Amino acid sequence: AQSVTQLDSQVPVFEEAPVELRCNYSSSVSVYLFWYVQYPNQGLQLLLKYLSGSTLVKGINGFEAEFNKSQTSFHLRKPSVHISDTAEYFCASIGTGANNLFFGTGTRLTVIP
Amino acid sequence: DVKVTQSSRYLVKRTGEKVFLECVQDMDHENMFWYRQDPGLGLRLIYFSYDVKMKEKGDIPEGYSVSREKKERFSLILESASTNQTSMYLCASTQGGASTEAFFGQGTRLTVV
Repeated sequence: AQSVTQLDSQVPVFEEAPVELRCNYSSSVSVYLFWYVQYPNQGLQLLLKYLSGSTLVKGINGFEAEFNKSQTSFHLRKPSVHISDTAEYFCASIGTGANNLFFGTGTRLTVIP
Repeated sequence: DVKVTQSSRYLVKRTGEKVFLECVQDMDHENMFWYRQDPGLGLRLIYFSYDVKMKEKGDIPEGYSVSREKKERFSLILESASTNQTSMYLCASTQGGASTEAFFGQGTRLTVV
């Protein structure tokens, strides 16, 4: 069965510092992996996705993620965060041939001025 | 601009009431989903639909039902609302295929008193 684990429920970080939000997935088959962001009082929107090919994926707002098959990880990174990055971030996966997205429990990123 | 629209942002209902949450998408998407979002639990799938009049149970279908009479509309029904159904409800849609992005509505914050 598909699942994703987000290891940190809350991550506080100072403005302009780098950040990494961790995500591990479990699956016995090929997966597609996604990061979504939810700003306060809004729905989710896609940050980036990994389908195949290059393991380093670049997304919107300067975020990137690296697919690591040996560690079954898909960590999200940004070299320098901004106040506006304060939000909740969700890792998600879906198996090939499936219709259902599985979400992690979310990581709340708080950027401190 | 693609859109998933949920009929209400905030809703307050009494215990025992029948509650309808409506979701409409304008992208001609095949798949539609209802998630429930609670702090520390992430997004949990209630039901999804991959075609008109078709539905599949998600992880937490108990106490809920759904209706998809038209491709663009997916309704979530709480037959007899209870206080433990107080939550944020998110609707999403995707085109067919596992690799496609999910588009989310703004969410409905339901409070059952």
